[in-house]
Amino acid sequence: ETGVTQSPTHLIKTRGQQVTLRCSSQSGHNTVSWYQQALGQGPQFIFQYYREEENGRGNFPPRFSGLQFPNYSSELNVNALELDDSALYLCASSFSEYTEAFFGQGTRLTVV
Amino acid sequence: TQLLEQSPQFLSIQEGENLTVYCNSSSVFSSLQWYRQEPGEGPVLLVTVVTGGEVKKLKRLTFQFGDARKDSSLHITAAQPGDTGLYLCAGAYTSYDKVIFGPGTSLSVIP
Repeated sequence: ETGVTQSPTHLIKTRGQQVTLRCSSQSGHNTVSWYQQALGQGPQFIFQYYREEENGRGNFPPRFSGLQFPNYSSELNVNALELDDSALYLCASSFSEYTEAFFGQGTRLTVV
Repeated sequence: TQLLEQSPQFLSIQEGENLTVYCNSSSVFSSLQWYRQEPGEGPVLLVTVVTGGEVKKLKRLTFQFGDARKDSSLHITAAQPGDTGLYLCAGAYTSYDKVIFGPGTSLSVIP
């Protein structure tokens, strides 16, 4: 048990809709990273938030956006959903931007 | 493009056998981590290696970091069905880089 919790665990959305995924980081951790993991692949880095500011972004379009709140919890928002957005979305929290990260159980998003 | 490669992609062995999986890059890592992921779950950190040539042991698992810090291996002795899962390596090229993941090795241990 890492102490990182994500909600919801499963979600089905229609193409073109918007979705918000949530992550509650481990106590004492001020950094949250989001990853997308397609079936059979390793996690792909989306972006990282450190003390409420975006601190690095992977190769994802602007319709992927996020927020980090003063309590260091975080949201991932995806607009104009596409079928290829179907994946496991993982949140990882860490003490700082350079330390080991601990993952939540993920949110399985299916876009139909 | 800095990439992490893992081999083999899939591995199916009998309980009690030994196995080794590999993680390679053309660039030098500042640090490298190994994770194990079960279906429908997030990755769980197994170990972090930072020094070239470093060897770490975790029960039946032995992790080695290459001398040049470009590669790593994970050796499992006497594999058990509970070892089944996706083994991911992840690394940062400098202390200030974000961690990137390899594609993983999917291990299946048959009772």
